[in-house]
Amino acid sequence: QQQVKQSPQSLIVQKGGISIINCAYENTAFDYFPWYQQFPGKGPALLIAIRPDVSEKKEGRFTISFNKSAKQFSLHIMDSQPGDSATYFCAAGRGGTSYGKLTFGQGTILTVHP
Amino acid sequence: DVKVTQSSRYLVKRTGEKVFLECVQDMDHENMFWYRQDPGLGLRLIYFSYDVKMKEKGDIPEGYSVSREKKERFSLILESASTNQTSMYLCASSEHGGSYEQYFGPGTRLTVT
Repeated sequence: QQQVKQSPQSLIVQKGGISIINCAYENTAFDYFPWYQQFPGKGPALLIAIRPDVSEKKEGRFTISFNKSAKQFSLHIMDSQPGDSATYFCAAGRGGTSYGKLTFGQGTILTVHP
Repeated sequence: DVKVTQSSRYLVKRTGEKVFLECVQDMDHENMFWYRQDPGLGLRLIYFSYDVKMKEKGDIPEGYSVSREKKERFSLILESASTNQTSMYLCASSEHGGSYEQYFGPGTRLTVT
């Protein structure tokens, strides 16, 4: 059962453009929504994360938009650069006895052309 | 600098072999996780451990087992490797409570022939 659905599977953007990746979740108990970035040959690394008490979080060129009622969240990369080319994963997690387990989306391969 | 290391970057095994994948973290984290990564399927949780000798099944535990005898080390065991277990295996760790951030190792690309 895939509780977090991510789209698109791949994305090609020109340098300077905006990259948008979307995720939808089902379990309303989730209370933590991170995005991970993975470069070839490396493990994923935390990029940015949001909790459901805010609708947007921005860190530099990266912004998470969160819509609690729609159970959707998205990653926006402004002024996309070739160095942003990577695989991006959204995820959802919850506290309590789940020990910080995360449920990941399917991943998006982003290619930024110079 | 936090670090999660995995014993091998690439591994080739034959069908039916017993396979051990080792993961070590140096951050004194309580939680450790094993995932497999397949194209189009994302990261899927195989097993996780929240303390020494404690383990819980993830979403796809069939065909796998784990061992955690020391806090810093978490092993994934394929009792009898099969070709459908050819995949990238990722280990991660995180601390109890607070941030949910998981720190990942570089992965082991396992090929079962």
